[in-house]
Amino acid sequence: EAQVTQNPRYLITVTGKKLTVTCSQNMNHEYMSWYRQDPGLGLRQIYYSMNVEVTDKGDVPEGYKVSRKEKRNFPLILESPSPNQTSLYFCASSLGSRSGETQYFGPGTRLLVL
Amino acid sequence: QKEVEQNSGPLSVPEGAIASLNCTYSDRGSQSFFWYRQYSGKSPELIMFIYSNGDKEDGRFTAQLNKASQYVSLLIRDSQPSDSATYLCAVGSGTYKYIFGTGTRLKVLA
Repeated sequence: EAQVTQNPRYLITVTGKKLTVTCSQNMNHEYMSWYRQDPGLGLRQIYYSMNVEVTDKGDVPEGYKVSRKEKRNFPLILESPSPNQTSLYFCASSLGSRSGETQYFGPGTRLLVL
Repeated sequence: QKEVEQNSGPLSVPEGAIASLNCTYSDRGSQSFFWYRQYSGKSPELIMFIYSNGDKEDGRFTAQLNKASQYVSLLIRDSQPSDSATYLCAVGSGTYKYIFGTGTRLKVLA
């Protein structure tokens, strides 16, 4: 089944404790992206990757890191999480790297930083 | 700052009616336009995409794009209670970035 998977789905952590949210897709998609969704603010793009080893900042990259060492994986790293990073996070992928391509979203990761 | 604006709603329509959802965008260079549906607690799923001015129909859904007015809309005909969800408008700028609106909550009343 073609899908985007994220782990964990739910995470409670404390301020400053490094964490990684994994994202994997099995569709051989070139483009992958991370979003956060907050009430009243909608979906905001954090980072995106056009292909292996090629990443760039979205609109809200502060406090996040990403890497794209393999085509299928695009982990999101929070080196020192803070309470303002409490949010619902979505990973997405699309076949091509142009922004005209349809994105497929993972199930989401709900993060609470205390 | 490039923006995509939607009325947050809720937009309430009776079952069987036409629901009209609207979206405006600020970047005249935008090239691709998407409508996603998101049920509460779930991930967004694509409903329609449109690249050219005019109308695009798919079943009960019609997307309308007017680049001169920087306006894109989604019409849902014969609305059903199962259409009750938040509808997200997304715009692709052609530079690998996507900008999403905050979404319009639709309620279809049985």
